[in-house]
Amino acid sequence: AQKVTQAQTEISVVEKEDVTLDCVYETRDTTYYLFWYKQPPSGELVFLIRRNSFDEQNEISGRYSWNFQKSTSSFNFTITASQVVDSAVYFCALSGVGSGNTGKLIFGQGTTLQVKP
Amino acid sequence: EAQVTQNPRYLITVTGKKLTVTCSQNMNHEYMSWYRQDPGLGLRQIYYSMNVEVTDKGDVPEGYKVSRKEKRNFPLILESPSPNQTSLYFCASSPQDRVGYTFGSGTRLTVV
Repeated sequence: AQKVTQAQTEISVVEKEDVTLDCVYETRDTTYYLFWYKQPPSGELVFLIRRNSFDEQNEISGRYSWNFQKSTSSFNFTITASQVVDSAVYFCALSGVGSGNTGKLIFGQGTTLQVKP
Repeated sequence: EAQVTQNPRYLITVTGKKLTVTCSQNMNHEYMSWYRQDPGLGLRQIYYSMNVEVTDKGDVPEGYKVSRKEKRNFPLILESPSPNQTSLYFCASSPQDRVGYTFGSGTRLTVV
C-alpha cells in the first residue's frame, strides 16, 4: 500500500528562521513521483515541485530546497529565511506510474506552517 | 493561460437538491480527477477519468457521479446531496503520463 506521512502537524517559527518540513513515504512501485503543494489560507493548491524516483538530486528554487533520499524514503522540504507569506498548509504527495496505476495522488495529512513577524 | 477552472467557488445548498460542480481544463489533458478535502481526513480521491468516456471510482465515490463526454470537461454531480458531503472539492488534470497535476481553485460546498 502507498502511504505518505507528514509527522509534523503544526510548526511555528519567527520570520527569517529556516524551517524543514518532513515527508516520509511508502510504496512498492519502482517508479513513482513525489510532489509538494502549498495551500495558503485562500484554499487553492499551489504546485511547488515534482521529483522522479530516479532523480535523487537535491533541488533549490530561491528560498526553497528539497532533499530526496530514497534510502530513507524521505522527501523533505526546507524554507530558508522564512517569511510571513510562507504561512500555509504544505502537503507532500506520492503518485505511482505505469500500468495498473490509477494516477491517484496519495497526500500526507499536511503540515501547517505559521511564520510570525 | 493553462488552467483548471472550477465553478462555483462557493455553494450553499439544501439536502436533496441536485447540484453540479463544473470543471474545465484548457491543456488538452487526458487525465482528470476529483478530490475532496476534509479536516482530519486530508485529500481523498472521489472519481477519476483516464480519457473521454472512461471514468472510474476513487476512494470515496458514494453519493457522487461524474461524466466525461468531452476531453476538457469533467463535472461532478451530486444527485441528492447530504450534509456529510459538506467539503472542499478540487478538480485536477494531468497529461496521460500523469506526472504533473494542475488543480482548480476549489469549490467550498456546504449542504444544510
